[in-house]
Amino acid sequence: AQKITQTQPGMFVQEKEAVTLDCTYDTSDQSYGLFWYKQPSSGEMIFLIYQGSYDEQNATEGRYSLNFQKARKSANLVISASQLGDSAMYFCAMREGYGNKLVFGAGTILRVKS
Amino acid sequence: GAVVSQHPSWVICKSGTSVKIECRSLDFQATTMFWYRQFPKQSLMLMATSNEGSKATYEQGVEKDKFLINHASLTLSTLTVTSAHPEDSSFYICSARDLARSYNEQFFGPGTRLTVL
Repeated sequence: AQKITQTQPGMFVQEKEAVTLDCTYDTSDQSYGLFWYKQPSSGEMIFLIYQGSYDEQNATEGRYSLNFQKARKSANLVISASQLGDSAMYFCAMREGYGNKLVFGAGTILRVKS
Repeated sequence: GAVVSQHPSWVICKSGTSVKIECRSLDFQATTMFWYRQFPKQSLMLMATSNEGSKATYEQGVEKDKFLINHASLTLSTLTVTSAHPEDSSFYICSARDLARSYNEQFFGPGTRLTVL
């Protein structure tokens, strides 16, 4: 079974609007971490935001926020005020327990239109 | 944030040759580094976890004799693709954790694009 599911292969958003990228996860661990990374066409992986399973508040980093719904096992990324430079592939990832490994979802390609 | 470099950024080689890719943590010491493989328009798949001074831990389905990993120092891990074939053509990305800076974040290198002719 897939541990990380990103159901949106691609998304379009108008510049300056907000967009939500979906991510659901599957784990039986009580302690885990959820990550979002951005990968532009250059290929580098850019860390955006982190949410720990015990964090009670949703994580925020500038224009990025993570809508963490633990009971639903979802960790959606919200990008506010989209910019053209936000066009990229976005990956949701999970680290289970206190281990090292990250498991990535299939990714969502976001295109911001002017 | 912490900086991870990879060398080379791209390489083209003939089938049957071996290719070495370096991953360096430039401003921190990394006891653990990770090697990922990414095919076009697909996700990152973890190949192996590289531990300084010990053998790498390979993920299921990854041939350890094909993908040799060496982590000889706290700032350098190498991936050698032995007897490369066209199906090994891919984007290889390494990452490292800087536990002194952040327990959670993995810092990624810029990737190496390998094309085997």
